[in-house]
Amino acid sequence: AQSVSQHNHHVILSEAASLELGCNYSYGGTVNLFWYVQYPGQHLQLLLKYFSGDPLVKGIKGFEAEFIKSKFSFNLRKPSVQWSDTAEYFCAVNALNTDKLIFGTGTRLQVFP
Amino acid sequence: DAGVIQSPRHEVTEMGQEVTLRCKPISGHNSLFWYRQTMMRGLELLIYFNNNVPIDDSGMPEDRFSAKMPNASFSTLKIQPSEPRDSAVYFCASSGTKETQYFGPGTRLLVL
Repeated sequence: AQSVSQHNHHVILSEAASLELGCNYSYGGTVNLFWYVQYPGQHLQLLLKYFSGDPLVKGIKGFEAEFIKSKFSFNLRKPSVQWSDTAEYFCAVNALNTDKLIFGTGTRLQVFP
Repeated sequence: DAGVIQSPRHEVTEMGQEVTLRCKPISGHNSLFWYRQTMMRGLELLIYFNNNVPIDDSGMPEDRFSAKMPNASFSTLKIQPSEPRDSAVYFCASSGTKETQYFGPGTRLLVL
């Protein structure tokens, strides 16, 4: 069965620090990959996605993610975080033969001024 | 585009009562998903529909939960009877074929 692992459950950073959140998935076939963000009290919003092509994907608000097929990873990065990035971040994957998304357990990011 | 619309946004009810949550997907989307989010269990897929047909309901917790999609623009998730452990945020999401899922604002359910 497909699964998604987010090893960082809670990350605390100061403003301007660099961010990298890990995401690994288990599925040997072709996949679509997503990062969603959930700000406090709000719904999930798409941050970025990878379907095919350039494995380095740029999303909104300065976020980017790199798909490394050999490592089954899709890590999220941002060179300099802001207080407003405080949120929960979810990695998700779906295989091309299904509409179903498999979500990771989420990483809670707290950014202090 | 109005996005995915859910109602009500908040619901407080007493144990044993019937609860009905409603969702209007984005026009043109043919897949609809119901999720439940709690602190303990995170984000769980309950059921999803494709072209109004339930495809996978393996996440539905028990017979107290049921979902319908009578047409392409409306779906309901019903809990009868409700229990305190059903308290959660319920999200509806929709997508086109094999595309990005867009989430609604959620319904915060509290069962007393």
